[in-house]
Amino acid sequence: EDQVTQSPEALRLQEGESSSLNCSYTVSGLRGLFWYRQDPGKGPEFLFTLYSAGEEKEKERLKATLTKKESFLHITAPKPEDSATYLCAAITGPGYSTLTFGKGTMLLVSP
Amino acid sequence: AAGVIQSPRHLIKEKRETATLKCYPIPRHDTVYWYQQGPGQDPQFLISFYEKMQSDKGSIPDRFSAQQFSDYHSELNMSSLELGDSALYFCASNPTPWGEQFFGPGTRLTVL
Repeated sequence: EDQVTQSPEALRLQEGESSSLNCSYTVSGLRGLFWYRQDPGKGPEFLFTLYSAGEEKEKERLKATLTKKESFLHITAPKPEDSATYLCAAITGPGYSTLTFGKGTMLLVSP
Repeated sequence: AAGVIQSPRHLIKEKRETATLKCYPIPRHDTVYWYQQGPGQDPQFLISFYEKMQSDKGSIPDRFSAQQFSDYHSELNMSSLELGDSALYFCASNPTPWGEQFFGPGTRLTVL
């Protein structure tokens, strides 16, 4: 069964304290892995798409990487406004684009 | 930039009532997805449409139905509502049935 597992469930950082969020996946024939940011009560906001092992994407303080078994979201020198839940999702199933999400990592960055 | 529009944003219904949620995708996006997100849960895929035809089906209850219209907007119809249907319902769209999906702000459904 296709699975997406994120860790840790929650992470508290001080402003400027860099860290990484993990997303491990068990998916037959990965066709795409996505990172989203979600603020409470709002829709997930697209961050990155990764398609193949070794691929990296960067945006401001965020960098996403992909291996054959997992993806990492690196947060460099985070700010309080980076506080949110970060969701990882993979395309699963026989269709083109059914997304299976992980449970998310709730990140809190304190000033 | 235009985003996915969902209406209504909030909806309160009684048990056994019917609800209709609407989704207007980003212009020129012909694929629409529906997700349900319970409190503290990750989004669960319900159903998707590509070019007005159902493309994928997830954990959508038989009490729910959906369709995509000629202008590409989509509606999710929910009947015989149960307390457990209370959740955030998100619509997402993309210009092709693969690649990143762009989510709307959601409809918060409360069933009393």
